[in-house]
Amino acid sequence: GIQVEQSPPDLILQEGANSTLRCNFSDSVNNLQWFHQNPWGQLINLFYIPSGTKQNGRLSATTVATERYSLLYISSSQTTDSGVYFCAVIRGTDKLIFGTGTRLQVFP
Amino acid sequence: EAQVTQNPRYLITVTGKKLTVTCSQNMNHEYMSWYRQDPGLGLRQIYYSMNVEVTDKGDVPEGYKVSRKEKRNFPLILESPSPNQTSLYFCASKPGHGGYGYTFGSGTRLTVV
Repeated sequence: GIQVEQSPPDLILQEGANSTLRCNFSDSVNNLQWFHQNPWGQLINLFYIPSGTKQNGRLSATTVATERYSLLYISSSQTTDSGVYFCAVIRGTDKLIFGTGTRLQVFP
Repeated sequence: EAQVTQNPRYLITVTGKKLTVTCSQNMNHEYMSWYRQDPGLGLRQIYYSMNVEVTDKGDVPEGYKVSRKEKRNFPLILESPSPNQTSLYFCASKPGHGGYGYTFGSGTRLTVV
């Protein structure tokens, strides 16, 4: 089956720093989403981005479907950005296949 | 507000006592799905439904039942819960097949003792 790998697995930042999270997938996909799982366990949808670039405040994402990767950019990070970031690809019967996740910790 | 609502958020129960986790969406979405999240195993699909009265198994359906009698509701039923069903459960929905993203509920943390 398709493999979805994220890097880095862990990231520690000081408030105000910028970061780039990467998602590689091993086969073509219909669609891709980025999620943030906050410390309370909730999964928050950040972007639905099958291709191209989108921005929402301090966050932006780019997917290059032909090269099978997606990037999530976090600028001027805040402590509330802490948590785990997942990319998930959508295949077949619209099933989400989640990546391995990047755990982000932002310290004041 | 457009949302997927799961209840309860937290539940501790005993082995063998039937329980239902409810899921409701107010967006008129056709597609609904249940996932469980476990350390080291990630998120895995339990069941999904493409529309009313249409349900199918995901990757880990054993020990679970679902029903889709109305478009907005997709309850997850554990007829005889066991400790290996202790997990964080998520319900999700999207408008239909193809080019749409998922909206997730807030999760249900279930402990079976």
